Amino acid sequence: GQQVMQIPQYQHVQEGEDFTTYCNSSTTLSNIQWYKQRPGGHPVFLIQLVKSGEVKKQKRLTFQFGEAKKNSSLHITATQTTDVGTYFCAGRNNFNKFYFGSGTKLNVKP
Amino acid sequence: DGGITQSPKYLFRKEGQNVTLSCEQNLNHDAMYWYRQDPGQGLRLIYYSQIVNDFQKGDIAEGYSVSREKKESFPLTVTSAQKNPTAFYLCASSRGGLGNEQFFGPGTRLTVL
Repeated sequence: GQQVMQIPQYQHVQEGEDFTTYCNSSTTLSNIQWYKQRPGGHPVFLIQLVKSGEVKKQKRLTFQFGEAKKNSSLHITATQTTDVGTYFCAGRNNFNKFYFGSGTKLNVKP
Repeated sequence: DGGITQSPKYLFRKEGQNVTLSCEQNLNHDAMYWYRQDPGQGLRLIYYSQIVNDFQKGDIAEGYSVSREKKESFPLTVTSAQKNPTAFYLCASSRGGLGNEQFFGPGTRLTVL
């Protein structure tokens, strides 16, 4: 079954609105990664979180790793049309298994 | 210019034929991976290799085979035993093993008619 769940599956926002995608694992993760895939493209690594409760920022993007290391979120402030794409989380569990979430497809209307 | 190349970008095959997808990297990475991506789903791991001449099955290895004779190359064969082979196939590599930052190739879209 799906080891890493991601919600929502789709999100449509008006340019300038905020966006958040959530990632939940059934087991504790040793790390969590986030990737972005533009339409017609391939996934590109954004960031990796390792520590419990860790928060990292990249310009308008904020990434969080939950205290229990079972969930994570990506928040984009004031979306732009360049943010369009599918955002995936991916994590390694304590059994050395690595899973990608199903992704959240973001559409931004200008 | 370092990176991962996959060829071809689009591939069409008749049902019952084996087909081999190529993946080459010049990043000097030890680990390489093959993923399958279907619409509305995330990436599912087919096979991965942490070193030359060694590879491990991922979650959906049935109907696929790989080889890792050179560090730079990790070809994937989609055999006739794969029941639903039409998909987007992505190759990736990383400096370390599973759980490290992965660099992806542009992908091959395989259509079996």
